[in-house]
Amino acid sequence: AQSVTQLGSHVSVSEGALVLLRCNYSSSVPPYLFWYVQYPNQGLQLLLKYTSAATLVKGINGFEAEFKKSETSFHLTKPSAHMSDAAEYFCAVKEGGGADGLTFGKGTHLIIQP
Amino acid sequence: EAGVAQSPRYKIIEKRQSVAFWCNPISGHATLYWYQQILGQGPKLLIQFQNNGVVDDSQLPKDRFSAERLKGVDSTLKIQPAKLEDSAVYLCASSLVRDNYEKLFFGSGTQLSVL
Repeated sequence: AQSVTQLGSHVSVSEGALVLLRCNYSSSVPPYLFWYVQYPNQGLQLLLKYTSAATLVKGINGFEAEFKKSETSFHLTKPSAHMSDAAEYFCAVKEGGGADGLTFGKGTHLIIQP
Repeated sequence: EAGVAQSPRYKIIEKRQSVAFWCNPISGHATLYWYQQILGQGPKLLIQFQNNGVVDDSQLPKDRFSAERLKGVDSTLKIQPAKLEDSAVYLCASSLVRDNYEKLFFGSGTQLSVL
């Protein structure tokens, strides 16, 4: 069965600093991996996805993530944090060829300090 | 384009009562999902529809939860009777076709509190 672990329920960084949100996955087959963002009182929005093409995936708002099979990781990064990045971030996995529904991690709340 | 519409936005009920949530997906979207998001956790898939047929309901607690999408457009999720542990945000999502995650859109959810 597939699963996702997000390390750190809360991450705090200063504005302009590097953002690193960690995600490790477990899947018996090559997975599809996703990062979603949820702003207060809004629906989940897709940031980026990995589907077995390039291992470094670029998404919206300057975010990117690197798929590392040897580490079973898909960490999300952004070189310079902006106040508007404050939100809840979810990593999700779908097993290739498996059911359509996504399995989400518990989420990481990103706090941006001025 | 209009997004995924959900109502009500908030609902407070007592345990053992019944409750229903409504979702209107984006026009033309064949695939519809209901997710349950408990505070402090990520969303968990409850049920997936393709048009008016159920694709996956393996994680739906069928003794108390039911869902329908009779005309393949809007959908209703019902809980009867509700338990305290059902307190959560219920999210609806839709996509034009299956497996199209770039075009998977989520509604803002219905926040349910069971007292």
